Amino acid sequence: NAGVTQTPKFQVLKTGQSMTLQCAQDMNHNSMYWYRQDPGMGLRLIYYSASEGTTDKGEVPNGYNVSRLNKREFSLRLESAAPSQTSVYFCASSATWDRGNTQYFGPGTRLTVL
Amino acid sequence: GENVEQHPSTLSVQEGDSAVIKCTYSDSASNYFPWYKQELGKRPQLIIDIRSNVGEKKDQRIAVTLNKTAKHFSLHITETQPEDSAVYFCAEGGYQKVTFGTGTKLQVIP
Repeated sequence: NAGVTQTPKFQVLKTGQSMTLQCAQDMNHNSMYWYRQDPGMGLRLIYYSASEGTTDKGEVPNGYNVSRLNKREFSLRLESAAPSQTSVYFCASSATWDRGNTQYFGPGTRLTVL
Repeated sequence: GENVEQHPSTLSVQEGDSAVIKCTYSDSASNYFPWYKQELGKRPQLIIDIRSNVGEKKDQRIAVTLNKTAKHFSLHITETQPEDSAVYFCAEGGYQKVTFGTGTKLQVIP
C-alpha cells in the first residue's frame, strides 16, 4: 500500500516549457487535490477533484490545468512554465470531502523554472 | 471565501516547556479542523483533528481546543521534545476542500 505517489520528485524547466506532474493513490479515495507550497505562504490549493469526473478551481489556478484520469490518478499540467511557478507541489487525497476530509499527502515535486 | 490566520509564524521553546499555536477562521460553516506537522523536506502529516461538535480533544502530549463562537482553535503541545521541531499547519474543512493556515515553525531547544 503505497498511499499517494507523485512523479517526478525534482524537475527543472526553462520558461515557456510545458510539463505534467503525475499523482496516483491506492487508497480508493474519492477526492484528490493539488497544492503548491511557497515559503511563508503555507499550502495553497490549485485545483481539486471532489469525486471522479469533476474538477474545480482552487485559490491559485492560473497557469495550470488538471485531469482526473480515473479514480486513482489526478495530473497537473503547466502549459507554459513561468519563474513564478517555481515551488514545491503536493498532491493529496481524502476518502470523502464531507466526512472530515483528512488529507493524505504525496512526497512532493520540487519544480524550478529558470 | 475561507481564510485562516495562524500565529505565531515562528516559535522557540526550551525542551520540556509547552507550545501553543493559535488559528482563527472566517467561514462559520466550517466543521472540521485538522492540524498537520511537516518536518523539513517531508510531506505534511495529520497529527490531530477536531470536529465542530467537540470543544477539546487530547492525544498524549497534544491537545486541540475549539471555540466556535469566537472562531478560534488552538494546538497545545506539552513537555516538548526536540523531535517536535517542525512546521505546523492548522486548517479548516469546509465545502469540498480544506484551507490551510500559513504555518508555524516550532523550534525546540535542547
